[in-house]
Amino acid sequence: EDKVVQSPLSLVVHEGDTVTLNCSYEVTNFRSLLWYKQEKKAPTFLFMLTSSGIEKKSGRLSSILDKKELFSILNITATQTGDSAIYLCAVPGRNSGYALNFGKGTSLLVTP
Amino acid sequence: EAQVTQNPRYLITVTGKKLTVTCSQNMNHEYMSWYRQDPGLGLRQIYYSMNVEVTDKGDVPEGYKVSRKEKRNFPLILESPSPNQTSLYFCASSLRQGLYEQYFGPGTRLTVT
Repeated sequence: EDKVVQSPLSLVVHEGDTVTLNCSYEVTNFRSLLWYKQEKKAPTFLFMLTSSGIEKKSGRLSSILDKKELFSILNITATQTGDSAIYLCAVPGRNSGYALNFGKGTSLLVTP
Repeated sequence: EAQVTQNPRYLITVTGKKLTVTCSQNMNHEYMSWYRQDPGLGLRQIYYSMNVEVTDKGDVPEGYKVSRKEKRNFPLILESPSPNQTSLYFCASSLRQGLYEQYFGPGTRLTVT
């Protein structure tokens, strides 16, 4: 059975700190891994990592994929209060429908 | 503006009263999908559609129906809602099935009493 596990489940940091969020996965026929940010609304897309693109960076956010060890990390440097959100990791499942199997998310709170 | 829209955004209804949640995208995406999000269970796929008139079940399809008569629209139908369908529902779309990111609508919070 496909499985996506995120850790930690929640995290509280001070503005300016650097955080690392973890996502491990077990999936048949790996194709890609996606990171989303969810505030009090819909998940918004951050990154997609594939076999041919194992590292992505956008501003203070970066992510890497370790296909051998079956995990990904999302780094946020110099955190701001606006980074407070739930961060979701997802991997397309084994069915042909490309259903995203989501982890339960990491709830990040950045305090001033 | 490229977007996925859902209506209604909030709905309170009673057990057994049929309802439809609409979903529309203006990006000419082929792939559309419905998810529900519940505390402790995360996001789970209900149904998906790879193109017009092509739909299939996701992980939790019981109690739901969908249709895809036009490319832009993918309504979710609850023929006889029950309290265990109280949830936050998201519609999503992507250019095609495959290595493309899925874009999510704003969500519909449904309460069935």
